[in-house]
Amino acid sequence: NAGVTQTPKFQVLKTGQSMTLQCAQDMNHEYMSWYRQDPGMGLRLIHYSVGAGITDQGEVPNGYNVSRSTTEDFPLRLLSAAPSQTSVYFCASSRQGGVWEKLFFGSGTQLSVL
Amino acid sequence: GQQLNQSPQSMFIQEGEDVSMNCTSSSIFNTWLWYKQDPGEGPVLLIALYKAGELTSNGRLTAQFGITRKDSFLNISASIPSDVGIYFCAGREGTGTASKLTFGTGTRLQVTL
Repeated sequence: NAGVTQTPKFQVLKTGQSMTLQCAQDMNHEYMSWYRQDPGMGLRLIHYSVGAGITDQGEVPNGYNVSRSTTEDFPLRLLSAAPSQTSVYFCASSRQGGVWEKLFFGSGTQLSVL
Repeated sequence: GQQLNQSPQSMFIQEGEDVSMNCTSSSIFNTWLWYKQDPGEGPVLLIALYKAGELTSNGRLTAQFGITRKDSFLNISASIPSDVGIYFCAGREGTGTASKLTFGTGTRLQVTL
C-alpha cells in the first residue's frame, strides 16, 4: 500500500517559473491538503480539499493554486515562483475532513527558488 | 496565524536518558496530537489526546493533555538512537470540517551513544 505519494522529491526553479507538485493517495481518502514547512516554524496549511471538486484556502494560500478533479489526486501549482516559496512541501490526506488526527503525510518535496 | 510554542527547540541526550518536551498555546484545544518526523520523511502520528487531563502511552512514549487545555507534554523514557528526529505537537480548535489544526515549531532530538 503506497499511501501518500509526492513527486518530485527535489526541485530547483528560477524566479518566475511555474511548476506543479504532484500528490496522489491510494487510500480513498476524502480529505487532502498541502502544507509548507519552513525552518523554525510549524507546518502551515496552504490549501485543502474535502472531496473531489471542492477546494478551499488555508493559512498561506497566496501564490498557489489547487484543483481536485479526482479523489486520488491533489496537485499544487506554483504560478510564478518566488524565493519566498523556497520550502519543504507536504501533502497529507485523511479519511474524513474533520478527522485531523488520522492525517497521513507524504515524504515531502524540497523546493528551492533561485 | 497562531503558532504553538514548543520547548525545548532542540536537545542532545545520551542513550538511556528520559526526555521531556512541552507545547503551550494561548488558545484552548479540543485535541492534542504528537507527531515525529524522521529526516527526509513526512510526520507520523505518535499519540492523540482527546480530553483534558488524559494521559496516553505508546510504548516508551507518554503524552498528557493539560488540565487547562492550553498545553500538552510528551515524555520519552529510556531513549534509543532511533528516537532521533523532530517532534511536533499539534492542537485542534473547533469541530468537524470547521476545525483548524495548528502545528508547533518542533523539538529536534539528537541521541548520542
